[in-house]
Amino acid sequence: GAVVSQHPSRVICKSGTSVKIECRSLDFQATTMFWYRQFPKQSLMLMATSNEGSKATYEQGVEKDKFLINHASLTLSTLTVTSAHPEDSSFYICSARDGFNQPQHFGDGTRLSIL
Amino acid sequence: GEDVEQSLFLSVREGDSSVINCTYTDSSSTYLYWYKQEPGAGLQLLTYIFSNMDMKQDQRLTVLLNKKDKHLSLRIADTQTGDSAIYFCAEIPSRQNFVFGPGTRLSVLP
Repeated sequence: GAVVSQHPSRVICKSGTSVKIECRSLDFQATTMFWYRQFPKQSLMLMATSNEGSKATYEQGVEKDKFLINHASLTLSTLTVTSAHPEDSSFYICSARDGFNQPQHFGDGTRLSIL
Repeated sequence: GEDVEQSLFLSVREGDSSVINCTYTDSSSTYLYWYKQEPGAGLQLLTYIFSNMDMKQDQRLTVLLNKKDKHLSLRIADTQTGDSAIYFCAEIPSRQNFVFGPGTRLSVLP
């Protein structure tokens, strides 16, 4: 149980393109979803936390207009990187949980490469 | 602030035991977690321990918790090449979200 599906797994696109990444909880209701960014050989950096039906809470230094997060249902959250540039190239990982003290379950990540 | 610390690298020989250590700061953390990340993949929940426990064993994995010293360890018995990965420990400080350590890169040598 507790499967989180993240799609796509890899995106390569031109500078200026907007890219949408989906995160779905397949067998549980995700009251909270998280979006992380991971640079090579580094730990996870939390970008934002989203609760179903409300606006996402962004971490300091993360541009909310650049990284649009929508959590419209208990099983789906999306991250849209708007007008992506090469410096946005990274590994993006989502996670979801169904309660405050519950474990986070992670998707397999999306490797985004902006040319 | 909250800070979770881990050593960054560990090398062991195949068949030996691996011990990955972690220190955390918030004594009110209810659960403490261990995650595994293989190259190019997301994080896989390995195990977790409730804060009122000292030890939890699950097949080859043993988690030890020293709450007084805020020290958590993960022991992998009979380490295999498939155990090569990055291992993250994580805590949930009071009413906050997960705080992850920097990860320990485990290399298993033949």
